[in-house]
Amino acid sequence: DAGVIQSPRHEVTEMGQEVTLRCKPISGHDYLFWYRQTMMRGLELLIYFNNNVPIDDSGMPEDRFSAKMPNASFSTLKIQPSEPRDSAVYFCASSYMGGYTFGSGTRLTVV
Amino acid sequence: GQQVMQIPQYQHVQEGEDFTTYCNSSTTLSNIQWYKQRPGGHPVFLIQLVKSGEVKKQKRLTFQFGEAKKNSSLHITATQTTDVGTYFCAGRSNDYKLSFGAGTTVTVRA
Repeated sequence: DAGVIQSPRHEVTEMGQEVTLRCKPISGHDYLFWYRQTMMRGLELLIYFNNNVPIDDSGMPEDRFSAKMPNASFSTLKIQPSEPRDSAVYFCASSYMGGYTFGSGTRLTVV
Repeated sequence: GQQVMQIPQYQHVQEGEDFTTYCNSSTTLSNIQWYKQRPGGHPVFLIQLVKSGEVKKQKRLTFQFGEAKKNSSLHITATQTTDVGTYFCAGRSNDYKLSFGAGTTVTVRA
């Protein structure tokens, strides 16, 4: 198994631009999570899905953030418009009855 | 909401020494998990503890879950340079999501 696959690995964008982060979970995992990691705030849960359905999006910072999971093998996190304070590492993780498997993350820099 | 506090934030250890990192929750947990993140890497699942008072070992790592299921600890013996990284505890209560502690970042002096 290739694990959780995220793309891109690095993204540099200008303030105001739309950013889309992508995630392919492990096949058979029924939970998918989006986390954001910064030095100041640590690991923050943004949203999670169960069987492709969003369960809890209370961690999404504001309306500029949206996430979708159109099928069991793909999810996106979109930021529109992006701001410098969105700069962080964004992790996707998937799970089935136990520990989470994290992807390698997307390092987002908004200038 | 649920909060998971972890101490110390930083641990500087001489190679060969032991150390312990502690995790405390404001609420009773259904289970607790531990993760390790190497510098520049992503969190990697180490272990899950479910039962009150549970103790599990992985080679030089010993994990404990408190009797009240509100605290946990990770003890590493004979620290090696490969132990460098940040260790996170993460607690789960009633729903499926995990609340991560701030982590203990470990550096090792050779």
